[in-house]
Amino acid sequence: GENVEQHPSTLSVQEGDSAVIKCTYSDSASNYFPWYKQELGKRPQLIIDIRSNVGEKKDQRIAVTLNKTAKHFSLHITETQPEDSAVYFCAANLYSSASKIIFGSGTRLSIRP
Amino acid sequence: ETGVTQSPTHLIKTRGQQVTLRCSSQSGHNTVSWYQQALGQGPQFIFQYYREEENGRGNFPPRFSGLQFTNDSSELNVNALELDDSALYLCASSHWRDLNTEAFFGQGTRLTVV
Repeated sequence: GENVEQHPSTLSVQEGDSAVIKCTYSDSASNYFPWYKQELGKRPQLIIDIRSNVGEKKDQRIAVTLNKTAKHFSLHITETQPEDSAVYFCAANLYSSASKIIFGSGTRLSIRP
Repeated sequence: ETGVTQSPTHLIKTRGQQVTLRCSSQSGHNTVSWYQQALGQGPQFIFQYYREEENGRGNFPPRFSGLQFTNDSSELNVNALELDDSALYLCASSHWRDLNTEAFFGQGTRLTVV
């Protein structure tokens, strides 16, 4: 089945600097890659997603890249702010006879003032 | 807000008991998935329901079962509760059409098994 590896597990960056989180997936059939942000005690919230027919997508300070050949995808946050502190999950959607999202193990991002 | 609501928000059960968790999907969504999120971990896929039928299952035993109703509501049932079942249970609804599968999560039910 699909397996999603995510690293680093924790990341601390200075406010204003960039943060990068990387993920790999195992099943080449996966074709949808969402990223979720989860604040303490709250639900995961979709922040950006990318589909397999696109290599890069950007939304203000957030960008995601996808390398289907290498089965890598990454989240880039620029000009980090204190409110970016949260746990971030990458995920891959295996589309076959069913649709299910397989999550990575999460990255705890801390922004230092 | 996502339009997906879950009840109850918190629940304490005794080992061996049974529990039913409920989810109200976003209007118009025909797919609901359930996830178990243990403390400090990512959500683990339990199963998905599409048009009232189970349509995919993760590595969870048969004592985890579900139902999806035509009124945008669904249930997760867990029998013979074990201590390791303590977790945040999340439902997510989506509209399965082609490759568009954005999932919107509810706020979760925190289950504690003692």
